[in-house]
Amino acid sequence: GESVGLHLPTLSVQEGDNSIINCAYSNSASDYFIWYKQESGKGPQFIIDIRSNMDKRQGQRVTVLLNKTVKHLSLQIAATQPGDSAVYFCAEKGSSYKLIFGSGTRLLVRP
Amino acid sequence: DGGITQSPKYLFRKEGQNVTLSCEQNLNHDAMYWYRQDPGQGLRLIYYSQIVNDFQKGDIAEGYSVSREKKESFPLTVTSAQKNPTAFYLCASSRDISLYEQYFGPGTRLTVT
Repeated sequence: GESVGLHLPTLSVQEGDNSIINCAYSNSASDYFIWYKQESGKGPQFIIDIRSNMDKRQGQRVTVLLNKTVKHLSLQIAATQPGDSAVYFCAEKGSSYKLIFGSGTRLLVRP
Repeated sequence: DGGITQSPKYLFRKEGQNVTLSCEQNLNHDAMYWYRQDPGQGLRLIYYSQIVNDFQKGDIAEGYSVSREKKESFPLTVTSAQKNPTAFYLCASSRDISLYEQYFGPGTRLTVT
C-alpha cells in the first residue's frame, strides 16, 4: 500500500548548524514529493517539491534529495535559524490526485 | 492579499450538534480540499473538490459533508455521526487537481464536549 513515514519524530539542532530531516516512502510508483513546514497552531506552508525525474532540488537555504533506489527523501536546511523551529511534513502523490502525508518531524533549534 | 481563510479559528460545540466550518479562497483555484489533523499526526484527507458542483470522498469522509456551490467556497459540515470530531481542520486549494502544490489555510480547531 501507500505510506509515508519519518525516521525521527524530533530533531534538535544548534542554531547555525545544518539540519537534515528524513522521510521514507513505500510506493515506488510515486512521481512527486513535497515538503511542508507547519508552525504551532498554523496551516502547513509549502517549502519545496521534487519530481521523480530529479535527484536534487535546491531552494533558498533548503535542498531536497530524492533517492529512488531506497525510496528515501530528505530535506536539508542550511544554517538553521530559530525561525526554522516547526514540524516538517513530507508528502507523496498517491493514487488519483491525493497527497499522502507523513506524521511529521519536529525540529527544535537550540540558541 | 490572496489566500485562504478559515473561520473561526476556535470552535466549541456540544456533542450531538452539527457544525459547519468555513473555507474561502481568492486565489481563483479550481481544486479545494479538507484535511483533518490529530495531535502528533499527519494530515488525513476528508473530501476534495476538483471544480464547482463536484466533490469526492477522501480517506475519512464518514460523518462529514461538503458543498461546492461557488468556486471560492468549500464549507465542511461535521455531523453528529462523526465519532471523534475534536481535531484541527485544515482547508487547502490548488490551481487545479493535477497540480499537487496545495496552499493551506490557517486551520480551525474544533472541540466537541
